[in-house]
Amino acid sequence: EIVLTQSPGTLSLSPGERATLSCRASQSVTSSYLAWYQQKPGQAPRLLISGASKRATGIPDRFSGSGSGTDFTLTISRLEPEDLAVYYCQQYGSSPPWTFGQGTKVEI
Amino acid sequence: EVQLLESGGGLVQPVGSLRLSCAASGFTFSSFAMSWVRQAPGKGLEWVSAIGGSSGNTYYADSVKGRFTISRDNSKNTLYLQMNSLRGEDTAVYYCVKCSGTGWMYFFNYWGQGTLVTVSS
Repeated sequence: EIVLTQSPGTLSLSPGERATLSCRASQSVTSSYLAWYQQKPGQAPRLLISGASKRATGIPDRFSGSGSGTDFTLTISRLEPEDLAVYYCQQYGSSPPWTFGQGTKVEI
Repeated sequence: EVQLLESGGGLVQPVGSLRLSCAASGFTFSSFAMSWVRQAPGKGLEWVSAIGGSSGNTYYADSVKGRFTISRDNSKNTLYLQMNSLRGEDTAVYYCVKCSGTGWMYFFNYWGQGTLVTVSS
């Protein structure tokens, strides 16, 4: 089972700043099959990024994903107040079990 | 528009049983694998179980294997999760999710709003 470790645990930034979230895997993720999700307070998660860098439908271009192998990054280029949320990475590079990171909380 | 509506959550005693349902609409249900993901209060996300579009393949997390059973009725566009021998650590919001990808390498492109299961005496 691949273990995903996200850092930092909490990120406190101001509107307009750049946020960089890290997701590190315990072994290489096949074909960069890494997704990112956003969970706002009191809501269900929603897909932001799949395949490490492909934005889901309707996701603003200030969200971008990068990385390969064991190191992946979610970048929010210019934070907006509505980006307050917990962000999770998930690997799907093999048949189940699929695993999530423990989450990074973004405070604005 | 894809919609996933869970039901069946509630309060159940330890070692009890509960069946969750998820009514799907807005897509060809039988063509897609489906999954359940849970989230304990104040905690992160945990994948629980998955089932192929034709019900041929099923997968379970080790934490629920032998106690939970995933199934689907494609004629009713409905996904189920039968939960037996429930424990306190099964207390969580359970999300029904639509899978996307290929060859059992799936991410989750649509999520329901979740149903809360509380296991307590």
